[in-house]
This record gives sequence, structure tokens and C-alpha cells, in this order.
Amino acid sequence: GESVGLHLPTLSVQEGDNSIINCAYSNSASDYFIWYKQESGKGPQFIIDIRSNMDKRQGQRVTVLLNKTVKHLSLQIAATQPGDSAVYFCAESGSGGSNYKLTFGKGTLLTVNP
Amino acid sequence: EPEVTQTPSHQVTQMGQEVILRCVPISNHLYFYWYRQILGQKVEFLVSFYNNEISEKSEIFDDQFSVERPDGSNFTLKIRSTKLEDSAMYFCALGRLTDTQYFGPGTRLTVL
Repeated sequence: GESVGLHLPTLSVQEGDNSIINCAYSNSASDYFIWYKQESGKGPQFIIDIRSNMDKRQGQRVTVLLNKTVKHLSLQIAATQPGDSAVYFCAESGSGGSNYKLTFGKGTLLTVNP
Repeated sequence: EPEVTQTPSHQVTQMGQEVILRCVPISNHLYFYWYRQILGQKVEFLVSFYNNEISEKSEIFDDQFSVERPDGSNFTLKIRSTKLEDSAMYFCALGRLTDTQYFGPGTRLTVL
């Protein structure tokens, strides 16, 4: 069955370091992937997305890498700041029709130490 | 990024009571979704709504749940007879013609 999961439940980094958060998915039909950031008591906040016809996409201080061969997704945050501390979720959407529901992974807690 | 508000921010109810959670999109959207997140767990899909009808629903979305857009603006989730296990954060999400979904701040539902 389809599932999205995360390798590391927690990640602690020093301010200024780069962070890498990983995610594995099992549904080979998935064609759209999103990273969300969730701060305590708030809703998921869109960070960056990528489609399956790409293997890399860059945003402001963030990069998403997609490896379809091993069904792996990663989020790289450059020069991590204390404000980046949050839970990060990957989510995937399957292909076809009106099936736009998102399947979320369990989340990784990122803690940035000053 | 589209704006969306949800009311109430926190709802406390007794088991067996009906609750209505509301989502108010600020801008026009075509696709509406409800998700829930039990404390400490991942976000789970409940239902998607397009063109004034349900397009997909999960196993969680049983007969106790219903959704509607009564006035073409607000998007509501109704739970007819709440159970203890319905306690969770409920998020509304909106989408247009792309797959990107933007989430509201959520309603915390506590069932006693």
C-alpha cells in the first residue's frame, strides 16, 4: 500500500549549519511531493514542492531533492536559523483524476541551537 | 499564498454532541479539503470537496461526518455525534488548479 515515512524523527543542529531532512515513500505512482513546516499550535505551512519529472528544485534557502529510483525525498535548509525550528512533514499526492489528497509522513522535529 | 481562517480556534464539547467547524477562504478556490491531526501524530486526510460535492473521502470520514458550503463561501465540517477519539486538530486546506494545498490555522477539538 502507499505510505510516506521519515527516516529520522528528530534532528538537532547548530545555528548556521545546513540541515537535511529525509523522507521515503513507497507509492511509485506518486507524482507530486510537498514539504510543510509546522510550528507548535499552527497549521502546516507550505515550504516547497516538486513534481516527479524533476529531481531538484530550489527555493529561498531550501532545496528539495527527489530520487525516484529509491523513492527518496529530502529537504535541505541552508544556514539554519532558530526560526526554522519546527516539525517538518513530507507529503505526497498520487496521480490521476481528482485524487489530490495528500498523504503525510510522520514528521521530523528540527531543533536549531543558537 | 492564499489566506484561510478557521473558527472556532478551540472547541470543547461533550461526547455525543454535534459540532460544526468552519473554514473561511479569503480568496477564490476550487478545491477544499479537511484533514485532522491527533496530538503527536501525522496529518490525515479526511475528505476533498470540489464543485459542491465530495470528490474523495477516507475511511475515517464515516457517516458521522459531513461537509458543505452552505453559502458558497464558508466550508464546514460537521460531526454529528462526537466521540472521545474525535479529539484532534482539524485543518481546512484549499487548492486551485495546481496540486499545492494551503492549510488554515486549525481548530482544536476536545471531546470530554
